[in-house]
Amino acid sequence: QVQLVESGGGVVQPGRSLRLSCAASGFTFTSYGMHWVRQAPGKGLEWVAVIWHDGSNKHYADSVKGRFTISRDNSKNTLYLQMNSLRAEDTAVYYCAREGGAVADYYFDYWGQGTPLTVSS
Amino acid sequence: EIVMTQSPATLSVSPGERATLSCRASQSVSSHLAWYLQKPGQAPRLLIYGASTRATGIPARFSGSGSGTEFTLTISSLQSEDFAVYYCQQYNSWPTFGQGTKVEVK
Repeated sequence: QVQLVESGGGVVQPGRSLRLSCAASGFTFTSYGMHWVRQAPGKGLEWVAVIWHDGSNKHYADSVKGRFTISRDNSKNTLYLQMNSLRAEDTAVYYCAREGGAVADYYFDYWGQGTPLTVSS
Repeated sequence: EIVMTQSPATLSVSPGERATLSCRASQSVSSHLAWYLQKPGQAPRLLIYGASTRATGIPARFSGSGSGTEFTLTISSLQSEDFAVYYCQQYNSWPTFGQGTKVEVK
């Protein structure tokens, strides 16, 4: 069965960096675009970034553009999110999610359990 | 950015009753609309995509309708496991979500 397992969250000071990982299994990772979606405490969902199945295209929400970098290692079935210059407003649970549809049909059919990030001094 | 607005914010329904949730887009998203259910402490779960297509394993009591800017999720007979927060999401452009509708026990 499809499994997405995030890791790497924690507590970090403003301005610092952190890298999240998402280990995928149970499907052909190289066939799917992958996304990061976040949810601030008590708030709704915010799309963060997408990377195409082959890593050839990446796109970001304006709120993280220039600070976050999405990447993937298809040999390891793993998705990453490198987060630099972290701010308090980046505090959230970060979910990795599999793209559900055809290329650029950006809805999400499987989600990981999420990894929490707190940015605080 | 396409803004998604859900109503009502909270819906109080008795088990077995019908629930109707609304989602409005600030501009047309065609049929590029998905619905998710989220329970406390859990990840969202896909219910509907393409405005009206049920995802794998989703019971027939869930149905979606609409196109353009107005969408509806209907739960025909609420079961105990359906009390949760529901989000709509457009994917006609970069994804954006509604703020959620909480379905609670009346």
